[in-house]
Amino acid sequence: AQSVTQLDSHVSVSEGTPVLLRCNYSSSYSPSLFWYVQHPNKGLQLLLKYTSAATLVKGINGFEAEFKKSETSFHLTKPSAHMSDAAEYFCVVSEWNNNDMRFGAGTRLTVKP
Amino acid sequence: DGGITQSPKYLFRKEGQNVTLSCEQNLNHDAMYWYRQDPGQGLRLIYYSQIVNDFQKGDIAEGYSVSREKKESFPLTVTSAQKNPTAFYLCASRQSSGNTIYFGEGSWLTVV
Repeated sequence: AQSVTQLDSHVSVSEGTPVLLRCNYSSSYSPSLFWYVQHPNKGLQLLLKYTSAATLVKGINGFEAEFKKSETSFHLTKPSAHMSDAAEYFCVVSEWNNNDMRFGAGTRLTVKP
Repeated sequence: DGGITQSPKYLFRKEGQNVTLSCEQNLNHDAMYWYRQDPGQGLRLIYYSQIVNDFQKGDIAEGYSVSREKKESFPLTVTSAQKNPTAFYLCASRQSSGNTIYFGEGSWLTVV
C-alpha cells in the first residue's frame, strides 16, 4: 500500500524568502501525487497535482513541485513567501484505484513579517 | 456555483446522542468521501461511496454510519458508539473519470 511522509511538522520562513515543504512517498505503482492547502477552520484546496505527465508541476499562488522518482520525493516550493501563505499543507498520494488516497500528517507553514 | 456544501458548520452533541452531518454536492460527482481530522494530524478516511446505494468502510468506520440514497447527498451519522467524536469532519467528492478530490468547508463536532 502507498504511504506519504511529510518530513517537517512545522516550517517557519520570513516574508519574501523561499519556501520548501518536503514530502516523500512510497508506492508500488505509478502514483498520482497532490498538494493541498488548508486555512484555519476551512476545507482543503488543491494547489497542484502530478499524474505522470511533466515532472515539474506548477500550481496556484506561485507554488510548484517536482516529482523525483529516484528520490521518491514530491517537494513543494515557492520562490517568495507571502503572509497569506501561512496555512497547513498536506501531501497526498493515490494509486491506480484512486479510492485509497493517503494523506501526510501535514506541515504548518508560518510566515514572519 | 458548483461545490460541496457541509452543514452545520458547528455542532454540539451530548453524551449518548446520535448526530447527522449533511454533505451535498452539485458537481455531478460519482464518488463521495468522509474524512475525520484531529488537531495536528492528517485526514483519516471514515467511509466512501462510489455509486448510489453503495458504500465501503474506510480506516476508522467504527461508530459511524452513512447512506447514499441520492447521487448528490452523502450524510454521515456519528452514533453513540463513537467514543471520541470531537473532531473536524470533511466531506469530499470526485468524478469517477478523474483523480482529483474536492473538499467541502468542514464541520466541527464537539461533545458536551
